[in-house]
Amino acid sequence: GAGVSQSPRYKVAKRGQDVALRCDPISGHVSLFWYQQALGQGPEFLTYFQNEAQLDKSGLPSDRFFAERPEGSVSTLKIQRTQQEDSAVYLCASSSRLDAYEQYFGPGTRLTVT
Amino acid sequence: GDSVTQMEGPVTLSEEAFLTINCTYTATGYPSLFWYVQYPGEGLQLLLKATKADDKGSNKGFEATYRKETTSFHLEKGSVQVSDSAVYFCALSDNRKLIWGLGTSLAVNP
Repeated sequence: GAGVSQSPRYKVAKRGQDVALRCDPISGHVSLFWYQQALGQGPEFLTYFQNEAQLDKSGLPSDRFFAERPEGSVSTLKIQRTQQEDSAVYLCASSSRLDAYEQYFGPGTRLTVT
Repeated sequence: GDSVTQMEGPVTLSEEAFLTINCTYTATGYPSLFWYVQYPGEGLQLLLKATKADDKGSNKGFEATYRKETTSFHLEKGSVQVSDSAVYFCALSDNRKLIWGLGTSLAVNP
């Protein structure tokens, strides 16, 4: 079946612009995660949804970052007033389990802020 | 907080060589442990996992054993292939979210 998909795959934004990154999880997966991966680093947790409820947003680096999953399927990560330090690959993962034991990752969106 | 430490790369091996990538962790509870692999140009894929002490995860010839006494989860493969060239990440689960190591790049030469 279809895996996790993300769009766009690449995004270039000028500093100060707002961006929206989309994640389509595997159909029926209840758990959805966003991670940020800087170049040469491991992913860092941003936020977690169980269905439409955002249960953990402790990893969001600032109030410029906002995520939503209004119908419990597709999720959008929005970054307002982008800064150069926001340049990274943004990964989405989903899991069929409430304990999120196995997470399946999308290909990521590479964001470059110029 | 919880953390994962991996050996630094890059690691370069010849085909059929033995592979070990070290991973140690710090955690307050008893997390599940994972190895993920990222092939060039592809997304992260779960390679293997273990949920409790002394569990051995295995897949595609790779193995790792959950060692509580040494807080380790080292990845091993007896004979690597060129197709194993990738970046390998060790991770633990912390209340559902994954805590990651920095990744170890492996290059296997024919």
